[in-house]
Amino acid sequence: SQQGEEDPQALSIQEGENATMNCSYKTSINNLQWYRQNSGRGLVHLILIRSNEREKHSGRLRVTLDTSKKSSSLLITASRAADTASYFCATAHFSGGYNKLIFGAGTRLAVHP
Amino acid sequence: EAGVTQFPSHSVIEKGQTVTLRCDPISGHDNLYWYRRVMGKEIKFLLHFVKESKQDESGMPNNRFLAERTGGTYSTLKVQPAELEDSGVYFCASSQEVGADDYGYTFGSGTRLTVV
Repeated sequence: SQQGEEDPQALSIQEGENATMNCSYKTSINNLQWYRQNSGRGLVHLILIRSNEREKHSGRLRVTLDTSKKSSSLLITASRAADTASYFCATAHFSGGYNKLIFGAGTRLAVHP
Repeated sequence: EAGVTQFPSHSVIEKGQTVTLRCDPISGHDNLYWYRRVMGKEIKFLLHFVKESKQDESGMPNNRFLAERTGGTYSTLKVQPAELEDSGVYFCASSQEVGADDYGYTFGSGTRLTVV
């Protein structure tokens, strides 16, 4: 079965506000990644956090990972209308020499001007 | 460098017909993956090629789906015969992995398949 469940399913905020999305997973992971999908376009890799890391920053993005709770959060600060997209977490499981990415259903973020 | 290219971007076919999706990975990427997103649900793994070999095809839904990667370059995913539940967005991704560290996959824009 798939793992990597995001919540909320949908989030609507005003420009300038922060957006927080959460992701939970079930089994041990090698790393956890966040992707963004703009409407009608492909998935864009945002950030990767390894299982031995607890927090990572990239521009306005902040990702945390709590392996004891099997959860991660993605924080987008000072949101912009251009951040409107679907956001997916994906857990990487290392097996047989390769990583396998398992995605969740995503969070639809709408940022209103 | 060119990204991952998928063709066609959209396809509308009738139930029972055959459709072939194509993916051109980033040059030099040995790993190629197919994923599918149906009806706004989770993005599901279909299969993973390492060069021309199928490393993992555990996500292929049934024998109506056939994936190939001749010569370890581009890949095709054929659905024959197509059923209504096959409708969705099919994503292809490629990566070049170093040991256990995956620096993220590069995805194509996807093929939106509609079976009517």
